[in-house]
Amino acid sequence: ETGVTQTPRHLVMGMTNKKSLKCEQHLGHNAMYWYKQSAKKPLELMFVYNFKEQTENNSVPSRFSPECPNSSHLFLHLHTLQPEDSALYLCASSPEWTANYGYTFGSGTRLTVV
Amino acid sequence: TQLLEQSPQFLSIQEGENLTVYCNSSSVFSSLQWYRQEPGEGPVLLVTVVTGGEVKKLKRLTFQFGDARKDSSLHITAAQPGDTGLYLCAGTDQGGSEKLVFGKGTKLTVNP
Repeated sequence: ETGVTQTPRHLVMGMTNKKSLKCEQHLGHNAMYWYKQSAKKPLELMFVYNFKEQTENNSVPSRFSPECPNSSHLFLHLHTLQPEDSALYLCASSPEWTANYGYTFGSGTRLTVV
Repeated sequence: TQLLEQSPQFLSIQEGENLTVYCNSSSVFSSLQWYRQEPGEGPVLLVTVVTGGEVKKLKRLTFQFGDARKDSSLHITAAQPGDTGLYLCAGTDQGGSEKLVFGKGTKLTVNP
């Protein structure tokens, strides 16, 4: 499988649940990103990992916890979310930590918090 | 915070028509990218422009970067239903940040 793969594609969770989103890339890229896409808002950068090290945390609430065990895998652990956290969560990767080459995005996880 | 304003927000046209969508900012960008996002999918990179005044063509799509590198346009000739999607522009600022800032997008619907 090639490209950036995200699982699950859809997730419904209660506010007291704990769940994780997974992202995997088979492109040999060194940088990975989590973005949040909400209706009527631009894509919001959440976290950046470069060579497995977190280089950016864009003031994201602690109920979102990223993990990057290696350059190919990225997780977003979720706990005690709020209904306003419902959104499309997109993972992306790029060859290096620069936007010059463009990003390759996954298909996203549609999250609904009830 | 740099902002990218995209217009129009929504556009619905008939197959075969031409259209132009815009991406504007008060800030200078070192490069600008256009993505297309289809329903249920992630954005897909269409083009990157880096030089002021640069024009790039991708089949029926023509991308232009403004001379001052503050704005960009995307022109589609003879639109087809397969062009339907959300068109996003994204820029990297001139200050050296590696962050990619996105606009809200133009939602294009091409009716058969």
